[in-house]
Amino acid sequence: GESVGLHLPTLSVQEGDNSIINCAYSNSASDYFIWYKQESGKGPQFIIDIRSNMDKRQGQRVTVLLNKTVKHLSLQIAATQPGDSAVYFCAENAGGTSYGKLTFGQGTILTVHP
Amino acid sequence: IAGITQAPTSQILAAGRRMTLRCTQDMRHNAMYWYRQDLGLGLRLIHYSNTAGTTGKGEVPDGYSVSRANTDDFPLTLASAVPSQTSVYFCASSVDWGETQYFGPGTRLLVL
Repeated sequence: GESVGLHLPTLSVQEGDNSIINCAYSNSASDYFIWYKQESGKGPQFIIDIRSNMDKRQGQRVTVLLNKTVKHLSLQIAATQPGDSAVYFCAENAGGTSYGKLTFGQGTILTVHP
Repeated sequence: IAGITQAPTSQILAAGRRMTLRCTQDMRHNAMYWYRQDLGLGLRLIHYSNTAGTTGKGEVPDGYSVSRANTDDFPLTLASAVPSQTSVYFCASSVDWGETQYFGPGTRLLVL
């Protein structure tokens, strides 16, 4: 899994499998979390977000789970496709004086094998 | 096509030269941001603007300046480039401060 501020982990899956990418955060005041996908040579692309008053949010083939008790966030991708291969970043928006400033994790490299 | 454009796409720059990276969005977003992305360090906020006419410092502002004369444009200037400013620079915008940020395609800068 990934922690905001640590080294870059990797995840390799077969096409059609489900993928789970993890992210740990340290700021208990963070109230908004976002997952981004970045393909090689491109800018980060918004995937899904979740606010701290929610535990789960679903999108198209993606689900984000938030566990505030252990400060953990995960991104689940159903039926992973080769086009899902990219670096995935979680980002947190801390509250208080840091509100509005995103802190990014260093990313997880997802490789999908046909 | 709505979105964020950045220019140039890439640039090789001699140390000591002045350089302005351009960013334009046509979504009428109030907030704009500049990040740099370095291998192993992720995305780090350089400067931001939560509305036209105001700017603020991010995590790594030294050596950079910004201006926000209007809603659409948010240029980033390196007054005197140094090799440590070699990086990929991303501009982002959000409807309002604290909302989801959307990113441009990036500018790849090499300072020699």
